[in-house]
Amino acid sequence: EAGVAQSPRYKIIEKRQSVAFWCNPISGHATLYWYQQILGQGPKLLIQFQNNGVVDDSQLPKDRFSAERLKGVDSTLKIQPAKLEDSAVYLCASSLFGRALYKNIQYFGAGTRLSVL
Amino acid sequence: RKEVEQDPGPFNVPEGATVAFNCTYSNSASQSFFWYRQDCRKEPKLLMSVYSSGNEDGRFTAQLNRASQYISLLIRDSKLSDSATYLCVVTDHGSSNTGKLIFGQGTTLQVKP
Repeated sequence: EAGVAQSPRYKIIEKRQSVAFWCNPISGHATLYWYQQILGQGPKLLIQFQNNGVVDDSQLPKDRFSAERLKGVDSTLKIQPAKLEDSAVYLCASSLFGRALYKNIQYFGAGTRLSVL
Repeated sequence: RKEVEQDPGPFNVPEGATVAFNCTYSNSASQSFFWYRQDCRKEPKLLMSVYSSGNEDGRFTAQLNRASQYISLLIRDSKLSDSATYLCVVTDHGSSNTGKLIFGQGTTLQVKP
């Protein structure tokens, strides 16, 4: 079974530029998550989608970050304009839907390592 | 106070040692608990779920104490390949049927020959 796919793997940009990341979740997973992981910290949830609807975006810096999942499958995360403090790994994860323990297990993609200079 | 707190370490242990990691969480309504493992420059991967009665998977034992809001992971007979960062994870369901994972900052383990 294919895992969560993300691209690109690495991105280097200058501050104030724009950048976009793409994620394709595991087939059949209704829930998709974007996380930001800064070096030395655990992943922090940015946004959670249930199919194509947003469930939680309380920690998404909405003045510069946006995300969409138009057809309930693939998703893109965009940063515009980027700041130095946005340098991090951006992880996409997916899971099944429901309260049962096994449905809460999230599977992560390899991530996009962003460096903002 | 952080929602999920872990001792960041690093824990440096010799091969064959037993090592224990602890984690505390602040939300008493949390329902699901996990340990994830993250190798250097890799994505987190599920190590094991944590059940109320405690559970074991080979050399790994996880315990949950809901009254104290405390989770532990015990690794017996450490191997070089156990070197990684171990992330304590708690699920906050809120109003959603699918939980939001809240990660601790991770505890780094280095097993030496």
